[in-house]
Amino acid sequence: GAGVSQSPSNKVTEKGKDVELRCDPISGHTALYWYRQSLGQGLEFLIYFQGNSAPDKSGLPSDRFSAERTGGSVSTLTIQRTQQEDSAVYLCASSLKGGNEQFFGPGTRLTVL
Amino acid sequence: GNSVTQMEGPVTLSEEAFLTINCTYTATGYPSLFWYVQYPGEGLQLLLKATKADDKGSNKGFEATYRKETTSFHLEKGSVQVSDSAVYFCALRETSGSRLTFGEGTQLTVNP
Repeated sequence: GAGVSQSPSNKVTEKGKDVELRCDPISGHTALYWYRQSLGQGLEFLIYFQGNSAPDKSGLPSDRFSAERTGGSVSTLTIQRTQQEDSAVYLCASSLKGGNEQFFGPGTRLTVL
Repeated sequence: GNSVTQMEGPVTLSEEAFLTINCTYTATGYPSLFWYVQYPGEGLQLLLKATKADDKGSNKGFEATYRKETTSFHLEKGSVQVSDSAVYFCALRETSGSRLTFGEGTQLTVNP
């Protein structure tokens, strides 16, 4: 079956612009996670959704970062007023429910010029 | 807080060599432990896992044993292949949590 998909695969933006990253989880997976993979910080957790609510968003690095999930499916991660340090690969994962095996998407590579 | 420490890379081996990638962790309670692998150009994949002390996870010839006394989960393979070239991540998940905490990743290159 289809795995986790993310779009776009690559995004280049200018400093100060807003960007939206999309994640389509595996059908039927109620839990969804966002992580960030960057050279300086490794793989960091950002936010966890169970259904449409986010019981754990403690990993969001600043108030420029926000995420939502609608219909218990698609999620969008929004970064406002992007900075160069936001450049990273943003990974999405989903699982049947929280605590189960997480399946990762291919990631979105964000470059802020 | 929770943390995972992996041996620094990159690691370069010849085909059929023995592989060990060290991983130690700091966590409260009894976390689950994982090894993920990222092949070139691909997404993260779960390689193996262990959910309690003394459990051994194994897959594709790789093994790791959950050692609570040494808070370690070292990855081993007896004979590596060129196709094992990838980045390997050790990770933990708290007993009551959902998020994964990852180590820094270890780049493995296997030469023919």
